[in-house]
Amino acid sequence: DVKVTQSSRYLVKRTGEKVFLECVQDMDHENMFWYRQDPGLGLRLIYFSYDVKMKEKGDIPEGYSVSREKKERFSLILESASTNQTSMYLCASSPNLGLAYEQYFGPGTRLTVT
Amino acid sequence: AQSVTQPDIHITVSEGASLELRCNYSYGATPYLFWYVQSPGQGLQLLLKYFSGDTLVQGIKGFEAEFKRSQSSFNLRKPSVHWSDAAEYFCAVGARQLTFGSGTQLTVLP
Repeated sequence: DVKVTQSSRYLVKRTGEKVFLECVQDMDHENMFWYRQDPGLGLRLIYFSYDVKMKEKGDIPEGYSVSREKKERFSLILESASTNQTSMYLCASSPNLGLAYEQYFGPGTRLTVT
Repeated sequence: AQSVTQPDIHITVSEGASLELRCNYSYGATPYLFWYVQSPGQGLQLLLKYFSGDTLVQGIKGFEAEFKRSQSSFNLRKPSVHWSDAAEYFCAVGARQLTFGSGTQLTVLP
């Protein structure tokens, strides 16, 4: 079974702190994604990566950055956390197989910024 | 640009009743379509996917979905709902990069 793990299930941080969310997948997938999930808005793509050291902005990259130094690990960084970044963060990975790619999700990190 | 609309924010059904969750999409080419389910506090789990071929797709947990190109729809169905089906359901379209709908919350009454 594909496994995507996220470093924390729940996280509480203060405004202005630097926050790291870690994601690791064990299936040698090329593609990795970070989403945030808010009620009524579904999942919105923050950043994605198709290869090591490669990153692309998604729909809502402002206030976030990412790092992918190894194929299995994709980190989301909040440089200076703000209260409007309180949300559920979901990581996903997918293989390069043909034209369409099923994404596998981690359990999520619920981040609260106070 | 690709987009997904799930018109129903919240649906309530009785256990044993049939279920249909609606999904409409906009996509520039042949769509690749997915339904995911999210139980409370969990990540998303794939229920089924449509890439090509038969327009009626079978998934896990007794779910199925029908792709209708003329209506740009990919509705999810289940003939008899179980209490454990209570969750949030997301429709998605795309290939390498997916666009998700805003979700439909399903409540199941005993």
